[in-house]
Amino acid sequence: VMTQSPLSLPVTLGQPASISCRSSQSLVHSDGNTYLNWFQQRPGQSPRRLIYKVSNRDSGVPDRFSGSGSGTYFTLKISRVEAEDVGVYYCMSGTQYIFGQGTKLGIK
Amino acid sequence: EVLLVESGGGLVQPGGSLRLACAASGFTFNTYWMSWVRLAPGKGLEWVANIKYDESEKYYVDSVRGRFTISRDNAKNSLYLQMNSLRAADTAVYYCARDGPWTGFDSWGQGTLVTVSS
Repeated sequence: VMTQSPLSLPVTLGQPASISCRSSQSLVHSDGNTYLNWFQQRPGQSPRRLIYKVSNRDSGVPDRFSGSGSGTYFTLKISRVEAEDVGVYYCMSGTQYIFGQGTKLGIK
Repeated sequence: EVLLVESGGGLVQPGGSLRLACAASGFTFNTYWMSWVRLAPGKGLEWVANIKYDESEKYYVDSVRGRFTISRDNAKNSLYLQMNSLRAADTAVYYCARDGPWTGFDSWGQGTLVTVSS
């Protein structure tokens, strides 16, 4: 089970935001990698991967997005929220192919 | 540019069948795992099934195992999802996605809506 918090996150433009994701079991694979991935789904769009293997940003993803964590606890941080960041964010266990419930980020 | 285009969605009665297709282009299709992921109304993303590049491995979420079948035709750069014994709970937008594996899905289609209702 992947548990995200908060489920709703109103943020003031220009302010930081943080989403946490906790797994019920370790996401460390036998190959030594930790397969925790983050996705963003903007309103009316398909999902998009932001981060893979905890902290690797996808091409084209702004550097205001960062991922961290280890074992069973992970965090997605946005250093300064912009209007285009509105949407739902999901963590995903790459070893079990399970998504978190999603965190809806909106602007205050 | 990677392009994934789904088709085949629509309205179907409970117990009915539907076959989704995904046309892939812009990458070497026969070297990638592929997945179907769905988003039900008011719910979050749910991985449905995936298939290895050579079809030698296929995996399903428990809720669809035995009812859905994933397949691919590498000669046609196409991915399929045969859905039988459909239930109202299967109502969702179904996305075709290129699969890491393990690193998640780095490319997604635009999705196709499946509505199961009488």
